[in-house]
Amino acid sequence: GAVVSQHPSRVICKSGTSVKIECRSLDFQATTMFWYRQFPKQSLMLMATSNEGSKATYEQGVEKDKFLINHASLTLSTLTVTSAHPEDSSFYICSVRGGGGAGGNEQFFGPGTRLTVL
Amino acid sequence: AQSVTQLDSHVSVSEGTPVLLRCNYSSSYSPSLFWYVQHPNKGLQLLLKYTSAATLVKGINGFEAEFKKSETSFHLTKPSAHMSDAAEYFCVVSSGGYQKVTFGTGTKLQVIP
Repeated sequence: GAVVSQHPSRVICKSGTSVKIECRSLDFQATTMFWYRQFPKQSLMLMATSNEGSKATYEQGVEKDKFLINHASLTLSTLTVTSAHPEDSSFYICSVRGGGGAGGNEQFFGPGTRLTVL
Repeated sequence: AQSVTQLDSHVSVSEGTPVLLRCNYSSSYSPSLFWYVQHPNKGLQLLLKYTSAATLVKGINGFEAEFKKSETSFHLTKPSAHMSDAAEYFCVVSSGGYQKVTFGTGTKLQVIP
């Protein structure tokens, strides 16, 4: 399956600053990537779907001006949390979707990024 | 529309005894179903998946799940629990032309020595 990396794995920032999280598909060209947020002891919540070459589609309740997504290439998507506040502290996970065939529609997840906003 | 329900938020078993994690789904389309495992502060690892082939699916680490359309279920089982199985398990459904993914709320598995 696809190998997905995220950088950084952990980040601590001050309130009001912006943080960029990178998601890379190391061995697979991903036309679609997904960004999830997971609060402690809760399930993953889909934030947005990013398609290479077009604007991201945000889920209801997710502020697109706060969570900027850029699917720069078939192997890179970035999530920027702008003007971060303590309530944005969470575990952010990206995934890429297999393109069919043997991979089917399975999603391959990155290891996650732990964001802590002080 | 689709949804997935994990019936137990916590399951506790003794080491060496069987594991059963329950999952029910609903979908307007023929779904694909997945089980993922997440260890503390780690990403998600795919255990197994059902994509309209064999209804009994075998995964990694001795886990398996059976797709039962009549019961809209996809329960995860393992004959004998190991201490390393202690983790959070997520049932996931994907369906429709856009293959949107919906996660269950998760089941935390505790294995007692």
